[in-house]
Amino acid sequence: GAGVSQSPRYKVAKRGQDVALRCDPISGHVSLFWYQQALGQGPEFLTYFQNEAQLDKSGLPSDRFFAERPEGSVSTLKIQRTQQEDSAVYLCASSSRSDRAHTEAFFGQGTRLTVV
Amino acid sequence: AQSVTQLGSHVSVSEGALVLLRCNYSSSVPPYLFWYVQYPNQGLQLLLKYTSAATLVKGINGFEAEFKKSETSFHLTKPSAHMSDAAEYFCAVSEEFNFGNEKLTFGTGTRLTIIP
Repeated sequence: GAGVSQSPRYKVAKRGQDVALRCDPISGHVSLFWYQQALGQGPEFLTYFQNEAQLDKSGLPSDRFFAERPEGSVSTLKIQRTQQEDSAVYLCASSSRSDRAHTEAFFGQGTRLTVV
Repeated sequence: AQSVTQLGSHVSVSEGALVLLRCNYSSSVPPYLFWYVQYPNQGLQLLLKYTSAATLVKGINGFEAEFKKSETSFHLTKPSAHMSDAAEYFCAVSEEFNFGNEKLTFGTGTRLTIIP
């Protein structure tokens, strides 16, 4: 596609419910990032994939958060047993290379998750 | 650890006036610095980046930023504000490039309002 696509755009979940957020990166992009943006804050790093390999998950806030990218393209961020503090915008970004620094990362529009 | 401080969560300027958005960073190694813009309900878009080449960096939409090591600053400027510049602006820093994992640390953002 022309850009990074995320779905759904908006998700309302009841506390305790599991959710899955999808990211379709730009075709051919090797690197994929997930960020969490709480209201009034800047994005915070969650995890990084190089193709299908999850090389960094240091930003995942708890073991309720799980991300995968099984075929090196589409990625899914799953949150189990959602809690109110999980309410945020979840941003996905992709970039074309993993062997050169400062390759521009393109961001999707994000998924706004509200836990009630 | 790297960090970014954006002074002023809200900035208002008159149309045609100078735009100045402040960013100070903390980094234990020479940093790479970025400015992103976020329009309502859209993803982040890269405005410009500093990667240790020229200290004065020119970006899109007439924006520029100057890296000042002695002041640990990377302020964003535009000589003449336009109504279309109204958005949220984020400064970000990256210290490392580890197997393509160029994760960014963002500031809390500055909301720019343009007064007609």
